[in-house]
Amino acid sequence: GQQLNQSPQSMFIQEGEDVSMNCTSSSIFNTWLWYKQDPGEGPVLLIALYKAGELTSNGRLTAQFGITRKDSFLNISASIPSDVGIYFCAGQKFGSARQLTFGSGTQLTVLP
Amino acid sequence: GAVVSQHPSWVICKSGTSVKIECRSLDFQATTMFWYRQFPKQSLMLMATSNEGSKATYEQGVEKDKFLINHASLTLSTLTVTSAHPEDSSFYICSASPTGVDQPQHFGDGTRLSIL
Repeated sequence: GQQLNQSPQSMFIQEGEDVSMNCTSSSIFNTWLWYKQDPGEGPVLLIALYKAGELTSNGRLTAQFGITRKDSFLNISASIPSDVGIYFCAGQKFGSARQLTFGSGTQLTVLP
Repeated sequence: GAVVSQHPSWVICKSGTSVKIECRSLDFQATTMFWYRQFPKQSLMLMATSNEGSKATYEQGVEKDKFLINHASLTLSTLTVTSAHPEDSSFYICSASPTGVDQPQHFGDGTRLSIL
């Protein structure tokens, strides 16, 4: 099935550094979601975006819904060891019965 | 709120066995639930959309006779892997969202299925 273009595929950063990842699509989405998945667990919702141009924060996390509706980014500030995991973007189209299209994921490693 | 519970979390069984996985929405009702399959180091791939009171909608390439879905109530959907074989070994995850506008999908903790 279709997947969103998510980058980077993996990141190795030092503790305390900021992180940025993004997703792009050739088609429009009406909702953008960001999830984090730890090994052996299901994805956990981090941020949900519902309006083009919307900028939303959740603690050290900030995400934006691109104005064209075809992209979104997630920033993590002052990374800590527990930020380690796989981050997925997901898009939802209007009238899609709430089906999600997922990005390929960004594996984040935080080095002490 | 919006908690999705999945059971069991891990199952190991012999080839040829049928395995049932449950997905429950604990504090909301869900007319639609989704079942995903995830291979190691890969993203989630949608298998099927489970519809309360009606037949599930399967994605292309997913065998409906192999992966039986039942959504008999507004809080429970089940996925049964029939006559499982080693190639069915995977991580299966369900999701659901409360009804209403701007309600995101919430995921269960997944079920690790290992077929020997």
